[in-house]
Amino acid sequence: SQQGEEDPQALSIQEGENATMNCSYKTSINNLQWYRQNSGRGLVHLILIRSNEREKHSGRLRVTLDTSKKSSSLLITASRAADTASYFCGWGYQKVTFGIGTKLQVIP
Amino acid sequence: DGGITQSPKYLFRKEGQNVTLSCEQNLNHDAMYWYRQDPGQGLRLIYYSQIVNDFQKGDIAEGYSVSREKKESFPLTVTSAQKNPTAFYLCASSIRETAYSNQPQHFGDGTRLSIL
Repeated sequence: SQQGEEDPQALSIQEGENATMNCSYKTSINNLQWYRQNSGRGLVHLILIRSNEREKHSGRLRVTLDTSKKSSSLLITASRAADTASYFCGWGYQKVTFGIGTKLQVIP
Repeated sequence: DGGITQSPKYLFRKEGQNVTLSCEQNLNHDAMYWYRQDPGQGLRLIYYSQIVNDFQKGDIAEGYSVSREKKESFPLTVTSAQKNPTAFYLCASSIRETAYSNQPQHFGDGTRLSIL
């Protein structure tokens, strides 16, 4: 399978804490993307990081990429209850392969 | 507002029946995709299309068929050959991929298909 892994598969934190999710992929990439999925809804694109970038920020989101280790991490700072969702990484060239996701619960 | 519309939201299939899931976008995107999502799993690609009148099989195309007669529309038919069709189906679109770069995808809100 070309699917990678995300860990942890589930994460529960208190509101205001930081949440870190990791993604391992198996193939070479030119970029990696992170998406959020609320329960019963479609995915929403959060951020794209190119293979020549090591870190990228967007609001409370920080993404890092280590192509030598084929891994990426998504950090959500000062989490809110509204951040409760599943988070997926996706990578590839002409088509995106998605990881299995991390289910984040932020407790108010 | 631009976006992707999937219908119906819930669909039930009887044994031996073909069913068609609708996907329409008004984002003027060239590329469209169909994914299947099973509980606790990521998305798996069924079919994708980079341009009208052309489409390619994804990783799990068996038992499914698609057409792309219009830029805005990419319907998915789940045939009776698909023996385990119960899943959440997601349609997405993006600007056209190149050989060197995939693009952010915009998703619809899915169709949940169940077997009667």
